[in-house]
Amino acid sequence: EDQVTQSPEALRLQEGESSSLNCSYTVSGLRGLFWYRQDPGKGPEFLFTLYSAGEEKEKERLKATLTKKESFLHITAPKPEDSATYLCAVIYTSGTYKYIFGTGTRLKVLA
Amino acid sequence: DGGITQSPKYLFRKEGQNVTLSCEQNLNHDAMYWYRQDPGQGLRLIYYSQIVNDFQKGDIAEGYSVSREKKESFPLTVTSAQKNPTAFYLCASRRQGRLNTEAFFGQGTRLTVV
Repeated sequence: EDQVTQSPEALRLQEGESSSLNCSYTVSGLRGLFWYRQDPGKGPEFLFTLYSAGEEKEKERLKATLTKKESFLHITAPKPEDSATYLCAVIYTSGTYKYIFGTGTRLKVLA
Repeated sequence: DGGITQSPKYLFRKEGQNVTLSCEQNLNHDAMYWYRQDPGQGLRLIYYSQIVNDFQKGDIAEGYSVSREKKESFPLTVTSAQKNPTAFYLCASRRQGRLNTEAFFGQGTRLTVV
């Protein structure tokens, strides 16, 4: 079954305590993996796109990496404003293009 | 400004009633999507459309219907057959092409059954 799984479900960090979020996928015909940030009651906001294994992208305190089976979102020295739900999504071919999301990781950064 | 607009922001539905959620985009995107999000959970795909007058069922299409008569518009109807419709509904669009691009989201509609 094609699916995207994120772990952990929830994560609490102290300000400045670096960590990583995981997104593993079991789809064939991967065409891209995307990371989003979602604040409560709002639509997701785009962060990164990764297309091939070995690719890395960085933005401020966030760095996303991709292997053939999973992606990591590394958060370096997080701040309270980084608190949000982080979602990953994949686009793949299954007859037509499908775009599906993982379950998300709820991140809370404490001051 | 280009973007994707969902309305209304909050919607209340009585038992047995059909309601329609609006989604409009002026990004000239071909593909549009509807997702449902339940508290503390990820996004589940309801329907998607890659071209005008064509759409496909996602993973949880039962009790929902859509239309795609115009490129800019992709309304979602929650029918009385959907037994548990209370949720946060998100519409998205993306440009299709050789390099598959990210989706842009609306701000969501929160539907509550009263």
